[in-house]
Amino acid sequence: EADIYQTPRYLVIGTGKKITLECSQTMGHDKMYWYQQDPGMELHLIHYSYGVNSTEKGDLSSESTVSRIRTEHFPLTLESARPSHTSQYLCASSEYGSAWTGLTTGELFFGEGSRLTVL
Amino acid sequence: AQSVSQHNHHVILSEAASLELGCNYSYGGTVNLFWYVQYPGQHLQLLLKYFSGDPLVKGIKGFEAEFIKSKFSFNLRKPSVQWSDTAEYFCAVSTNAGKSTFGDGTTLTVKP
Repeated sequence: EADIYQTPRYLVIGTGKKITLECSQTMGHDKMYWYQQDPGMELHLIHYSYGVNSTEKGDLSSESTVSRIRTEHFPLTLESARPSHTSQYLCASSEYGSAWTGLTTGELFFGEGSRLTVL
Repeated sequence: AQSVSQHNHHVILSEAASLELGCNYSYGGTVNLFWYVQYPGQHLQLLLKYFSGDPLVKGIKGFEAEFIKSKFSFNLRKPSVQWSDTAEYFCAVSTNAGKSTFGDGTTLTVKP
């Protein structure tokens, strides 16, 4: 059973507010990811991290930012939320592999998601 | 960059019917292939995976998938579906860089 937790599960917020979506994993995985998913659509990678102090932009451009100060924690922040940010945000981590060798099985463990609605 | 295409967006079956969900990917190098499932109200979880070896892989709950390299395909199958298989199914590809690319999902509804 994977142990990766996201909070909040649901958030409704007004335009212009700053929000942080939390993601924590207890598996000691080096690699962590944030995906954005709209209903009926594919998952789009918006951020990833290969380890502490490592963060990269994903394939889909996003106005959000991330940080990785501790292995187990990978929060996502929106400085000023807008209605276009309404979506589901999924955090994931992957087992095996190393930030140095780059080798990984690629299997992802997902959190339950944070559904953000910006009014 | 890799891409993944799932052939069916919505599939409706009766219990005991056979299932095959198509998945094709585009990438010239070595890939790892996955099917993930999301049951209603639950998080995405791994159904099965292929890294190397036998191209026919078996996963949980009686699912299997066959990797056909020449066709860049990784189709998911189950001989007899159950109502509890109602879920959304995602095919995904990852490279050794560790980044996964997902298809846009197939919603399976199994009628009791």
